[in-house]
Amino acid sequence: GENVEQHPSTLSVQEGDSAVIKCTYSDSASNYFPWYKQELGKRPQLIIDIRSNVGEKKDQRIAVTLNKTAKHFSLHITETQPEDSAVYFCAARLSYNTDKLIFGTGTRLQVFP
Amino acid sequence: DTAVSQTPKYLVTQMGNDKSIKCEQNLGHDTMYWYKQDSKKFLKIMFSYNNKELIINETVPNRFSPKSPDKAHLNLHINSLELGDSAVYFCASSHETVAGNTIYFGEGSWLTVV
Repeated sequence: GENVEQHPSTLSVQEGDSAVIKCTYSDSASNYFPWYKQELGKRPQLIIDIRSNVGEKKDQRIAVTLNKTAKHFSLHITETQPEDSAVYFCAARLSYNTDKLIFGTGTRLQVFP
Repeated sequence: DTAVSQTPKYLVTQMGNDKSIKCEQNLGHDTMYWYKQDSKKFLKIMFSYNNKELIINETVPNRFSPKSPDKAHLNLHINSLELGDSAVYFCASSHETVAGNTIYFGEGSWLTVV
């Protein structure tokens, strides 16, 4: 079946440093890639998304890049802050079932003050 | 106002019992989902309904039965609960836009089977 691989599973950075999380997807026709942030004990919430006709998208300190040829996309967080500590999930929408998002396995980001 | 609300938030029950989790969304979305998040934090889709019609039914034991009385509600009933059913169950909803179909999650229901 289709899947999304996500790396690393855990990431520790010092406050102010950058963090990068990478995902690879298998459905070459996937066209929508959201990123979700889940704080401890809370629900996953959308933080940024990108469609396949765009190579990069930025929103303040976060950005997402997409390489369709290589079938991978990445989340970049700059100037990290302790409140960025959470589990981050990437996802890819299947081209043949647009109701279905396949989630990556999650990255636990810890930002140390 | 909570956009996607589910009850109960916490549920502790014994093996073999039957339990239900209710979900309602007030966003006017056509599609609703149930996701399961296990202890390793993996998020797996279980079911998807579009306008009360079942669209996605992953390989979930038939002890799990979703019911959608209308497009704003999607309940999950679980029969003969097993230890392995312990997880967080998230209800969610979405609707299609030009940008994509953003999924909005409820706050989750923590199910513990003892």
